[in-house]
Amino acid sequence: DAKTTQPTSMDCAEGRAANLPCNHSTISGNEYVYWYRQIHSQGPQYIIHGLKNNETNEMASLIITEDRKSSTLILPHATLRDTAVYYCIVRVASYNAGNMLTFGGGTRLMVKP
Amino acid sequence: ETGVTQTPRHLVMGMTNKKSLKCEQHLGHNAMYWYKQSAKKPLELMFVYNFKEQTENNSVPSRFSPECPNSSHLFLHLHTLQPEDSALYLCASSQGRGGLSYEQYFGPGTRLTVT
Repeated sequence: DAKTTQPTSMDCAEGRAANLPCNHSTISGNEYVYWYRQIHSQGPQYIIHGLKNNETNEMASLIITEDRKSSTLILPHATLRDTAVYYCIVRVASYNAGNMLTFGGGTRLMVKP
Repeated sequence: ETGVTQTPRHLVMGMTNKKSLKCEQHLGHNAMYWYKQSAKKPLELMFVYNFKEQTENNSVPSRFSPECPNSSHLFLHLHTLQPEDSALYLCASSQGRGGLSYEQYFGPGTRLTVT
């Protein structure tokens, strides 16, 4: 699976959009980009995933660049409850592949009043 | 509430004790996972079960013994642990191998302290 690079930490003002970048320059054509987050002392929570098109759900939007070498997770109106560690994970999608995820260090997002 | 429950939520045990962690999922999934999260470290995958069969063992010491009696239940049996095994132990579930989804749903974890 392709390696990802994320900033260690970011701050965001409450009510503003939080834009979390992820670099995955070695991504291959059949690898998806997944985002999870982990609020302090809780289990990780799935947020969103995508292959090449931009995706949106009730939690967030995922913008993937045309060359797929980077992506941005957008929380449109960050709240204090969005303070968490956000993980960007790249994983091949195949019926024959294993179903493991490898979590890196992630980005610690601090939403401030 | 993710549909994955873990008990107990907190556990303190001595190095000579034997205890078990329990995980149950109510999502109809066929894959279950144990992860370990030590302080200030990324999540480490320990074991993966697909359709009740262990498909991954990430070089975990034998003092950790998993058991998956059916697709809804997963146990982690602990014996003669070391203080460095103190961590948050997380259970997760997902579609089984053969599907394309990597949406894993995590339980709240068991905070284990080994004294």
